[in-house]
Amino acid sequence: AQSVTQLGSHVSVSEGALVLLRCNYSSSVPPYLFWYVQYPNQGLQLLLKYTSAATLVKGINGFEAEFKKSETSFHLTKPSAHMSDAAEYFCAVRSYSSASKIIFGSGTRLSIRP
Amino acid sequence: EPEVTQTPSHQVTQMGQEVILRCVPISNHLYFYWYRQILGQKVEFLVSFYNNEISEKSEIFDDQFSVERPDGSNFTLKIRSTKLEDSAMYFCASTGTSTNEKLFFGSGTQLSVL
Repeated sequence: AQSVTQLGSHVSVSEGALVLLRCNYSSSVPPYLFWYVQYPNQGLQLLLKYTSAATLVKGINGFEAEFKKSETSFHLTKPSAHMSDAAEYFCAVRSYSSASKIIFGSGTRLSIRP
Repeated sequence: EPEVTQTPSHQVTQMGQEVILRCVPISNHLYFYWYRQILGQKVEFLVSFYNNEISEKSEIFDDQFSVERPDGSNFTLKIRSTKLEDSAMYFCASTGTSTNEKLFFGSGTQLSVL
């Protein structure tokens, strides 16, 4: 069975500071990993995905994530937080099988302090 | 970018009533999903649908739930007899032919059961 664990349900950083949202995965097969963002009253939007092509994945809005097999981690980072980054962030995993579902983590709410 | 469309955006119903949530996936996609998010909780997988049949379903997806693709464009979720605990945001999603492709999510239907 696959799963993801997000450490910290709420993270608060100052504008301009580094953003680090943690995600660890559990998978018996090579996983596909994703980060999705949910802005208030909106649906889920893909930030980035890992599909084994490269361990460092760059996404939209300046976010990136690094796949570390030895640590079973896929942490999301952004060098400098912007007020517009305030949202809920979900790490997700998908197995390598047709029509397989995506399993979401419990989410991390990111707040940005002025 | 192509979009998944969900209607209605809000649905209020009385306990015990039937509701149908509608989705129009992206036109050339083959895999379809329903997820739900109870307020303040994680996004939960309900069901996946491929080739006109359910390919996987969660334990949440009991006999009260059904899905259908009545024509070439719509994908519906029916709840036969709603319960208070069915109140949630329901997201439809679709993806194309490859398992590493991202899921495109609709903006959701907020279901309130009174």
